[in-house]
Amino acid sequence: SAVISQKPSRDICQRGTSLTIQCQVDSQVTMMFWYRQQPGQSLTLIATANQGSEATYESGFVIDKFPISRPNLTFSTLTVSNMSPEDSSIYLCSVGTGGYYEQYFGPGTRLTVT
Amino acid sequence: GENVEQHPSTLSVQEGDSAVIKCTYSDSASNYFPWYKQELGKGPQLIIDIRSNVGEKKDQRIAVTLNKTAKHFSLHITETQPEDSAVYFCAASRRINKFYFGSGTKLNVKP
Repeated sequence: SAVISQKPSRDICQRGTSLTIQCQVDSQVTMMFWYRQQPGQSLTLIATANQGSEATYESGFVIDKFPISRPNLTFSTLTVSNMSPEDSSIYLCSVGTGGYYEQYFGPGTRLTVT
Repeated sequence: GENVEQHPSTLSVQEGDSAVIKCTYSDSASNYFPWYKQELGKGPQLIIDIRSNVGEKKDQRIAVTLNKTAKHFSLHITETQPEDSAVYFCAASRRINKFYFGSGTKLNVKP
């Protein structure tokens, strides 16, 4: 499995501001994903980050609110824009390492919006 | 789309006992079923998975069974230890970029 790091690990932000979360992998991976986990809840896929092309967003998530970059095969960023308290969640990146379907998750970024 | 239901939502067992968590899925085309363990303050960790061409898979104290006909799969943990305490998530998928997660089971192993 890959070693995945995320920055920042946690942050407290004011409403109306934006936060960019970084995801770094120690090896090249084909697939990178961004999930949201609201307090005490399950995981919801936000988008698939495609290298060299635009991200593919799931229903209910839009690029203006969650712009994603994927400049190479080891790095991706997720920006949470114009934040509101409802955006308070854990944001997780995951990677598919080219095996069957396995996904491995990073440690998460704990975001609180006040 | 796929719908994954997970039960129970909380499970409390005595150390040394077994724990069983069950999930059902709706899409008969789903063919990959991973289980994740999430400890407090950490990301989910893949602990075991099973593919639709296999009925059972075991790794030391944990095992997963799959019943394709009934569309359900289960996680079995034997000889539970306090460090098994965590939230466990099941998921179902039929393609790599779309996992459907269950709602999670909080397992508490009492010493």
